Amino acid sequence: GAVVSQHPSWVICKSGTSVKIECRSLDFQATTMFWYRQFPKQSLMLMATSNEGSKATYEQGVEKDKFLINHASLTLSTLTVTSAHPEDSSFYICSAPDTSGETDTQYFGPGTRLTVL
Amino acid sequence: LAKTTQPISMDSYEGQEVNITCSHNNIATNDYITWYQQFPSQGPRFIIQGYKTKVTNEVASLFIPADRKSSTLSLPRVSLSDTAVYYCLRSTGRRALTFGSGTRLQVQP
Repeated sequence: GAVVSQHPSWVICKSGTSVKIECRSLDFQATTMFWYRQFPKQSLMLMATSNEGSKATYEQGVEKDKFLINHASLTLSTLTVTSAHPEDSSFYICSAPDTSGETDTQYFGPGTRLTVL
Repeated sequence: LAKTTQPISMDSYEGQEVNITCSHNNIATNDYITWYQQFPSQGPRFIIQGYKTKVTNEVASLFIPADRKSSTLSLPRVSLSDTAVYYCLRSTGRRALTFGSGTRLQVQP
């Protein structure tokens, strides 16, 4: 299947700092990518949809000024957690649909573990 | 997209066949059924996808009856490494996926 990468795989930062997470589709282009968040023992929750060439759309309750999304190219989307606080500590996962086939199957990145001290 | 319904957990032993059933009563005409596997601290991994009848690949089979209100993921001869959470999802093109709680499969020796 198609490959989606994320960088970094884990990050520890101090409260108040900003952290950038990259999501790349390695062998296909993606005009749309999705960002999810997963807390321990819970399922994935959609945070926002990243759109190449236009603004991201955020789910209800997700602060767009706190979670900045930039879809810089057809293979790269970035999520920046600004002024991070301990409650932002979570597992962040991106996905992208591979539109080269019949069904636009979505593939997920390996995730980024964010720990805010 | 509405969430699907699947058992919270299942237990099995190595070498057994495991069948996980998922209910999706209100599935739309354009929806496919897609199953993912997730290990702790990893992103979900695509397992199999189908629309109707039976689909088989190198790791699993997916059975979807004619009314498409349910589907069954079949894992032949599971091993300890199949211990994971399995998600059944309705997927439509490029739209985001709505995750339910998934099924936590525990394989014992």
